[in-house]
Order: sequence, then C-alpha cells, then structure tokens
Amino acid sequence: EPEVTQTPSHQVTQMGQEVILRCVPISNHLYFYWYRQILGQKVEFLVSFYNNEISEKSEIFDDQFSVERPDGSNFTLKIRSTKLEDSAMYFCASNGAGGMKTQYFGPGTRLLVL
Amino acid sequence: RKEVEQDPGPFNVPEGATVAFNCTYSNSASQSFFWYRQDCRKEPKLLMSVYSSGNEDGRFTAQLNRASQYISLLIRDSKLSDSATYLCVADNNAGNMLTFGGGTRLMVKP
Repeated sequence: EPEVTQTPSHQVTQMGQEVILRCVPISNHLYFYWYRQILGQKVEFLVSFYNNEISEKSEIFDDQFSVERPDGSNFTLKIRSTKLEDSAMYFCASNGAGGMKTQYFGPGTRLLVL
Repeated sequence: RKEVEQDPGPFNVPEGATVAFNCTYSNSASQSFFWYRQDCRKEPKLLMSVYSSGNEDGRFTAQLNRASQYISLLIRDSKLSDSATYLCVADNNAGNMLTFGGGTRLMVKP
C-alpha cells in the first residue's frame, strides 16, 4: 500500500537555525499539506499546496515558513529561523483528486528547538 | 475561528463493550468529515469517512447530523487494540484544509 514518507524522523536544532523537513507524498496525489502537533495539543493545519502554489495557509504559517516542491516527488517545509515554540511533530499529508479527498498522513518529523 | 470540539475522555471500557464518541463542528460550510485514529506519538490514520446517510465499517458506525453540526462514532465489541485517541475532523468549504478536534482518548481494558 502506498505511503507518505518523511525525513528525518527526528531533528534537533538550535534556536535561530534553519531547518528543512522533507516529505515524499503518495505518487499519484496532487494535493499536499503540512500540519503540526505540539506535544499534548491538537493537530493544526499549516499549509496546503496544489499545482505548484499555496492554496491555503493558516495564521501559524508566517514569513518564517515556506514550502517547495523542488522535483516531481519531494515536498519540503522550511523554517528559516527556528524558535523554541516551533518544537512540535510536523506531519505531511497528501490526497488525490475528487471524492471525499481523504488525506493520508506521513509518520511525522519530531522537531526539537533548543 | 472554525473549531471542532470533542470530549477528551478518557473513556475506560472493558473488552466487548460498546462505546460512543461525539463531536461538534462550528463551520457550517464544511463538506467532508472524518474520524482518524492516533496512537501515542504516531501520525493520524484514517478510520473512516463520515457520510450524510451514516455509514458502517465492521464494528464502527459513523453518523452525521448537519442540522445540529454533530458527528458521532460508535464502536461495538471493543478490542484491546482499539485503545487510542480518536480524532474528529472537518474540512473547510474549499476542501483544502482539515480542522482537527482535540481527540477523545479510549482505553479498553481486559
């Protein structure tokens, strides 16, 4: 069964450093997403991406965040200058077209900012 | 602000019990609804989509009441492996983002 994959599984960084989180969505999917989950809190939407552009973003997704689909398979989330409060689990998700548009989630990257 | 609200639980039930979870959503324009399951420190995994007419998948039954903006999940004959957090999820009117509830924790005991 096709799966969304994410790398790295864990990332530790110093405050102010840039991080890039990587995702490989399911191969025939067209819509890509990033969500985050701070420990003990809800899963929160960050951004959706379709046809090489952002289609929706939340208030969390400020100028420190950017997304890119650099090639036909990868989808990345960059945080330019990490803050302590960026520590969270970051989930990538994807879905195909039509129907209920069910989103399938990757295993996540646990980011710890020190 | 569009919200999805759930009772956080925990619901502690014996094996074989029937348990029901409810949730409410505030965005009347939401079109699609889902129940996801999340195990500790893992990703959300789709349990089932929720259709207007109600739908069943084995031991799981989901119901949607659009007038009351209310979604339910019924689990029959609970198994130990059902222990997890159940996330109620609604999309936005454009279908390009999901809003998650805080989850209801279920613990099934032998």
